[in-house]
Amino acid sequence: DAGVIQSPRHEVTEMGQEVTLRCKPISGHDYLFWYRQTMMRGLELLIYFNNNVPIDDSGMPEDRFSAKMPNASFSTLKIQPSEPRDSAVYFCASSLSLQGFGTEAFFGQGTRLTVV
Amino acid sequence: TQLLEQSPQFLSIQEGENLTVYCNSSSVFSSLQWYRQEPGEGPVLLVTVVTGGEVKKLKRLTFQFGDARKDSSLHITAAQPGDTGLYLCAGDPRKNSGGSNYKLTFGKGTLLTVNP
Repeated sequence: DAGVIQSPRHEVTEMGQEVTLRCKPISGHDYLFWYRQTMMRGLELLIYFNNNVPIDDSGMPEDRFSAKMPNASFSTLKIQPSEPRDSAVYFCASSLSLQGFGTEAFFGQGTRLTVV
Repeated sequence: TQLLEQSPQFLSIQEGENLTVYCNSSSVFSSLQWYRQEPGEGPVLLVTVVTGGEVKKLKRLTFQFGDARKDSSLHITAAQPGDTGLYLCAGDPRKNSGGSNYKLTFGKGTLLTVNP
């Protein structure tokens, strides 16, 4: 298996523009997670899905952020409109069950987003 | 909010030295994971500890979970340049693996550099 695949690897956009990040989880994994990593705040969980259904989106910073999972092999994280403070590395991860208690989450390589 | 404090934030040592990094919290976690993240990559799981006082060894790495399950340490013996990376701890507050209130909390990490 190729692992979790994220695209694009790098994204530079102007403030106010819409940004869409994409993720293909590992086949057969029931859970998909979106994280954001910054120097100031570390790695934060934004939202996670179980069997394509959003379970907890309380980590999404504000209404400008939305995430979808239309099928088991694809998810998107959208920011509209984007702001400079959204600049970060966004990770997608998938797992067979919830992390912790010995279950392993597999992370993609991340998308480095820069909003200017 | 359950916080995980990692120390030191940065550590630079010479090849062959021993080191210990720490992960502390005022909250109890039912399990704790350690990840290593290399530049441009996502975190990769090293180990999960679930029992207070548990010690796990992974080659030259020794992981310990505190008796009260509020803290953990990672000890590396005879560090090598390949150990260079960001070491992250992550705690799961759930009482059992099927419980709700899933909120895997990550520390900000210890950035380790091992110089040849």
